[in-house]
Amino acid sequence: DAMVIQNPRYQVTQFGKPVTLSCSQTLNHNVMYWYQQKSSQAPKLLFHYYDKDFNNEADTPDNFQSRRPNTSFCFLDIRSPGLGDAAMYLCATSRDLDTRYEQYFGPGTRLTVT
Amino acid sequence: AQSVTQLDSHVSVSEGTPVLLRCNYSSSYSPSLFWYVQHPNKGLQLLLKYTSAATLVKGINGFEAEFKKSETSFHLTKPSAHMSDAAEYFCLYSSASKIIFGSGTRLSIRP
Repeated sequence: DAMVIQNPRYQVTQFGKPVTLSCSQTLNHNVMYWYQQKSSQAPKLLFHYYDKDFNNEADTPDNFQSRRPNTSFCFLDIRSPGLGDAAMYLCATSRDLDTRYEQYFGPGTRLTVT
Repeated sequence: AQSVTQLDSHVSVSEGTPVLLRCNYSSSYSPSLFWYVQHPNKGLQLLLKYTSAATLVKGINGFEAEFKKSETSFHLTKPSAHMSDAAEYFCLYSSASKIIFGSGTRLSIRP
């Protein structure tokens, strides 16, 4: 089945220690998104890639970076995690930007910062 | 400015009874509106969508929603709740340049 895969499902990192979260897709979609979701809150869009074109949301901290080496993979890098970055990180895809409302989500990676 | 408001943070119903989850929007434009469901420790799944066609939209798992422009609402309903419906539900507004999630409604089902 075509799907969005996130690895790992659970990640523990230390305060200030860089961490990378991984997302892959078999849908061959052009757009990939990263969201941060804190407990009992709606997902908050961090950034998205349309093909190789990177689009950062205005209020996304510089601490968060992303890479998309090819169509299938997208990475979220947190350069110096703080305690406030503990959250669920969701990866999503859409076929194109004009179908952005119909996104396919991965199961998420729950990040704990100690 | 566009906005989405989910009026209830938590709704609890008995199994077999109707479900109503409320969503109101504010927009100067004709909106596209969606409902997503998130089960515990899972990603979001699209339940249904309104994109200016029929105002009554049917989705998966027996859910439906009605777009009412006069009330600026897009409430989600289901005639008979099932235990497997327990989850978080998000209303979503989409325009050409923006996606806005509502704050979510947690649905609990009592046996």
